[in-house]
Amino acid sequence: DVKVTQSSRYLVKRTGEKVFLECVQDMDHENMFWYRQDPGLGLRLIYFSYDVKMKEKGDIPEGYSVSREKKERFSLILESASTNQTSMYLCASRYRRQGLNYGYTFGSGTRLTVV
Amino acid sequence: SQQGEEDPQALSIQEGENATMNCSYKTSINNLQWYRQNSGRGLVHLILIRSNEREKHSGRLRVTLDTSKKSSSLLITASRAADTASYFCATTDGFKAAGNKLTFGGGTRVLVKP
Repeated sequence: DVKVTQSSRYLVKRTGEKVFLECVQDMDHENMFWYRQDPGLGLRLIYFSYDVKMKEKGDIPEGYSVSREKKERFSLILESASTNQTSMYLCASRYRRQGLNYGYTFGSGTRLTVV
Repeated sequence: SQQGEEDPQALSIQEGENATMNCSYKTSINNLQWYRQNSGRGLVHLILIRSNEREKHSGRLRVTLDTSKKSSSLLITASRAADTASYFCATTDGFKAAGNKLTFGGGTRVLVKP
């Protein structure tokens, strides 16, 4: 089974802290994605990556950055955490070479609270 | 902005009944996908239907796609308590070979009562 592993299930951080959310997949997927999920707003794409060292902004990139130094790992960075970044963060990955008609595999999510 | 909008937002049914939920989207798509999310967990891919397909089955799931109306439906037959979850439709919004992002709707919360 393909696994997408997010390093923390729950995280509490203070306002102003730099926060790293880690995501690792074990199936050599080229594409990786970071979403946040909020009640009433659904899932919104923050950043995605087509391949190593490649990244592209999603719909709500402000206040976030990403790093993809190795194919299996996609990190989401909150440069200076704020309370409005309290959310559920979901990482996902998919094969590129199997074409467009292939679903995403999601991690279990990280529930981040910024106090 | 959300590409897909699910309807209804919430659904409550008895075990054994069928559950139907709908999804509408705004722009041309390459494919439409349905996902399930159990409370507080990640999403699980259920089924994908291509833009040139009209209907697809997977176990107790049936998905239809009407590109002229820009809508899709997900039917869960003979529902079970374990089907209690939120269901999301998602569309790919482009045709780039390198990869495409998925845009999700707001979801339908389904409660199956035993």
